[in-house]
Amino acid sequence: AQKITQTQPGMFVQEKEAVTLDCTYDTSDPSYGLFWYKQPSSGEMIFLIYQGSYDQQNATEGRYSLNFQKARKSANLVISASQLGDSAMYFCAMRESHYNQGGKLIFGQGTELSVKP
Amino acid sequence: EAQVTQNPRYLITVTGKKLTVTCSQNMNHEYMSWYRQDPGLGLRQIYYSMNVEVTDKGDVPEGYKVSRKEKRNFPLILESPSPNQTSLYFCASSRGLAVVNEQFFGPGTRLTVL
Repeated sequence: AQKITQTQPGMFVQEKEAVTLDCTYDTSDPSYGLFWYKQPSSGEMIFLIYQGSYDQQNATEGRYSLNFQKARKSANLVISASQLGDSAMYFCAMRESHYNQGGKLIFGQGTELSVKP
Repeated sequence: EAQVTQNPRYLITVTGKKLTVTCSQNMNHEYMSWYRQDPGLGLRQIYYSMNVEVTDKGDVPEGYKVSRKEKRNFPLILESPSPNQTSLYFCASSRGLAVVNEQFFGPGTRLTVL
């Protein structure tokens, strides 16, 4: 079963508007971390934001915020005031605390965001 | 500047010719890991290391070797590369295993095996 599901392969947003990228996850581990990474066309992976399973507040980092709904197992990324430079692939990822998971990040398939001028 | 470096960034090679992709981090991180990224399959972990001389297999270790003789370096070795190892490879590091520890990624190595 997929542990991280991103149901939007591609999305378009108008410049200066807000956009929400969906992510749902599946784990039985009570302690886990959720991450969002951005991958521009140049290929590097850029960390955007982190949410811990025990965090009471939704994480925010500048124009990025994470809409964390633990009961629904969703961790959607919200980008406010989109810019042309936000056009990229976005990955949701999870890290579980089980020792036998080896600390790996489990990635979703990604959402390709295109910002229109 | 805190960073993870990988070399080479691009490599085209032929089947069976041994190669090494180097990875180095300057953040004194204990945990290091290798991932490969393939279209439709996302990123998958190849090997990881929790400290010097401690390495273990990830989800797709076949055809790869690693070593961790120094804390900062974690090379990926392909003893006999095959075309199905054509991929984008990322090295990553983090302070430790705790879920809160962000993984910092290197710039990626695009490998083509002919």
